[in-house]
Amino acid sequence: SYELTQPPSVSVSPGQTARITCSGDALPKQYVYWYQQKPGQAPVVVIVKDSERPSGIPERFSGSSSGTTVTLTISGVQAEDEADYYCQSPDSSGTYWVFGGGTKLTVL
Amino acid sequence: EVQLVQSGAEVKKAGESLKISCKGSGYRFPKYWVGWVRQMPGKGLEWMGIIYPDDSDTKYSPSFQGQVTISVDKSISTAYLQWNSLKASDTAMYYCARRAADSSGSYNYFDRWGQGALVTVSS
Repeated sequence: SYELTQPPSVSVSPGQTARITCSGDALPKQYVYWYQQKPGQAPVVVIVKDSERPSGIPERFSGSSSGTTVTLTISGVQAEDEADYYCQSPDSSGTYWVFGGGTKLTVL
Repeated sequence: EVQLVQSGAEVKKAGESLKISCKGSGYRFPKYWVGWVRQMPGKGLEWMGIIYPDDSDTKYSPSFQGQVTISVDKSISTAYLQWNSLKASDTAMYYCARRAADSSGSYNYFDRWGQGALVTVSS
């Protein structure tokens, strides 16, 4: 079945830029959505349709896409951004959705 | 205010059946898909399936097809996730979530989530 691949962990110092990638064969045809999940909480979407920010999401969150890889970028990382981040996208036919394995962002 | 309120934590034995619920409010429940997501202890999110309350159209992940049943009662704005015979490996947090939509149609992501329901299955 379809899979999305993320790095297990990313570490950055406060104020630096964090980049989290997500790879999948269907990504040239399907949008990717990014969720942030903090311990003990439900996920919250931070980027939709590869690069759009929903209302209420800080401007430091952005997304980009290139071929089979999409990237979530967090500029000027803050301590409160420490969380697990998941990409999500439908399979090539749009029949079902898949989450990536998740990336733990650590703010040093 | 849009809300999805899930039923409480459950502790069951392997082989038992279980049905957990997710009640939507603050929006037109029949017109928004509702999905279920599993999160095993210390692990990532897994998309299980999704249902359209207005006509009960249901789609499952290949990984969960035949393992669970997703259903809905639109008269009481409630979606369900059901097991006929639980296994210890079903121990997890289960989230329901609403598929985003607007006047243009539905989008392939969840914009509102329930608080989660912890299911613990002992062997």
